[in-house]
Amino acid sequence: RKEVEQDPGPFNVPEGATVAFNCTYSNSASQSFFWYRQDCRKEPKLLMSVYSSGNEDGRFTAQLNRASQYISLLIRDSKLSDSATYLCVVTNNNDMRFGAGTRLTVKP
Amino acid sequence: ETGVTQSPTHLIKTRGQQVTLRCSSQSGHNTVSWYQQALGQGPQFIFQYYREEENGRGNFPPRFSGLQFPNYSSELNVNALELDDSALYLCASSLGSGGPTYEQYFGPGTRLTVT
Repeated sequence: RKEVEQDPGPFNVPEGATVAFNCTYSNSASQSFFWYRQDCRKEPKLLMSVYSSGNEDGRFTAQLNRASQYISLLIRDSKLSDSATYLCVVTNNNDMRFGAGTRLTVKP
Repeated sequence: ETGVTQSPTHLIKTRGQQVTLRCSSQSGHNTVSWYQQALGQGPQFIFQYYREEENGRGNFPPRFSGLQFPNYSSELNVNALELDDSALYLCASSLGSGGPTYEQYFGPGTRLTVT
């Protein structure tokens, strides 16, 4: 079993749609959680940290469920510019583990 | 932009050769982590340097080695290159190592092709 698993995707959605990504992790000692986005042939860029209480940044909402070892990312009112691969990241001390990513394409 | 720079941008080597990749961390950051990203996969952790010492290592063989310099820039060295080493190599800098506020910022990467 992979340490960090994500929805395989790809997700193809129309502009304005709401889309949700899920991620599970296997190490219960994991301490920090993040979502990164990665555009084609570019480096990953931090989208948002994920806190136990859940957090929101504009159209993006992240949730963490430590009991179920589950992380989610919700994107509301999708824009064309949201098209990218979304990477779930879980850390334990200095060891940062990435999921394989879920590709999102937002279409006009 | 993150302020993390990497060189070179692209590199082509032949099997058995050695390669050195370089990374300059964001100003004020004292930690550099290196990752290998194969096509269609997420980045895989190679190792991390914190204050010039190796501070954690992923599942990579000893032919992958590194250094961190007093200015916190870093090098990744790979000896005896294999075809499977072809990938995007990313470095990421952060302030400190681990903890709940541990956020890493990535450089643009070096794309290595081994033929």
